[in-house]
Amino acid sequence: LAKTTQPISMDSYEGQEVNITCSHNNIATNDYITWYQQFPSQGPRFIIQGYKTKVTNEVASLFIPADRKSSTLSLPRVSLSDTAVYYCLVGDQAGTALIFGKGTTLSVSS
Amino acid sequence: GAVVSQHPSRVICKSGTSVKIECRSLDFQATTMFWYRQFPKQSLMLMATSNEGSKATYEQGVEKDKFLINHASLTLSTLTVTSAHPEDSSFYICSAMIGSDSYEQYFGPGTRLTVT
Repeated sequence: LAKTTQPISMDSYEGQEVNITCSHNNIATNDYITWYQQFPSQGPRFIIQGYKTKVTNEVASLFIPADRKSSTLSLPRVSLSDTAVYYCLVGDQAGTALIFGKGTTLSVSS
Repeated sequence: GAVVSQHPSRVICKSGTSVKIECRSLDFQATTMFWYRQFPKQSLMLMATSNEGSKATYEQGVEKDKFLINHASLTLSTLTVTSAHPEDSSFYICSAMIGSDSYEQYFGPGTRLTVT
């Protein structure tokens, strides 16, 4: 499984756009990139998933360059409720468990 | 989206007793479920993979006789912590996958186990 590297923590203010970049230099051809959000004492929540280029949904965008060795999760206009841990995961096979790295703790202040 | 529930949400038990945690997929059938453990301020650690109708596959370092997993139906997997000790106190989270070709997992809300 491809290893991922993310910043340990990030700080932001309400209303700002937050970009969290994840490195996955050893990503394989069949790997998808998935981001999860976790609040304290809750299970992770799926945010977005992509394979290449750009994916956008109602909560975030995911940018993946052509070489796919990194990806950036973009959260537009964050609010206090976006304070959480964000995990970047890379999966090489469907149906297999997700291996979590350390994640990025995002703190949003007013 | 798909919903996964866990019961109980939190439990306190005495050292030496056993505790069962249930994981249910409420609106879909899950051929595969996963059990994770998370200690405070740490990431999720995969404990085992649970496949319906077959024995669970445990990760290295996880005692299969201590953490009994039963996946009796397509919507239910249980984790039993046997002879619990204070060091087993943790946050236990299950996840379920829709179909064997899916890349997306749905996580339960977690169960906080405290062993006194």
